[in-house]
Amino acid sequence: GAVVSQHPSRVICKSGTSVKIECRSLDFQATTMFWYRQFPKKSLMLMATSNEGSKATYEQGVEKDKFLINHASLTLSTLTVTSAHPEDSSFYICSARDPGLAETRNEQFFGPGTRLTVL
Amino acid sequence: AQSVSQHNHHVILSEAASLELGCNYSYGGTVNLFWYVQYPGQHLQLLLKYFSGDPLVKGIKGFEAEFIKSKFSFNLRKPSVQWSDTAEYFCAVKNQGGKLIFGQGTELSVKP
Repeated sequence: GAVVSQHPSRVICKSGTSVKIECRSLDFQATTMFWYRQFPKKSLMLMATSNEGSKATYEQGVEKDKFLINHASLTLSTLTVTSAHPEDSSFYICSARDPGLAETRNEQFFGPGTRLTVL
Repeated sequence: AQSVSQHNHHVILSEAASLELGCNYSYGGTVNLFWYVQYPGQHLQLLLKYFSGDPLVKGIKGFEAEFIKSKFSFNLRKPSVQWSDTAEYFCAVKNQGGKLIFGQGTELSVKP
């Protein structure tokens, strides 16, 4: 149980275009999902907390208009990188909590990540 | 600001060697502590976690970690590594706000 998927696994786009990344909880309902960014040889940096049915909470320094997050259902959150530029190239990872399982309530389950390359 | 520090960026070991990866955090409140592993091309997986109780926690694949509150440390250990343990290892702290703060990661390379 507690499987999180992401789509696509990798995407290459031209500078100035927008890219949407999906994060799905496959076998549980996630009221909260998280979006991270991972730079090469670096740690995961939390970008925002995505709450179902309400606005996302962004971390300091993360541009809300640049990284649009939508959490329209209990199993899907999307991250849209708008007007992407080469510096947005990175590995984007989502995670979700399963509030239904007492033993894992404080854990986050991670998706496999999406490699974004902006040319 | 809260932070997590992993001292070793890259560790190279031979099979059967013992492993200890350091992790220190700066946060004075109640913490939940985690070690995650990321195998090449795969997603993050939980190795073990500490919430309360016995400070020596055992995880999957023979890994264990010890929470030492006085040292703000949560070091990961394995008595005998295998080639399949080659991966990136991340220490993380969840603070009372519910956010996971990750260390910079340690790359482990195990030579067969």
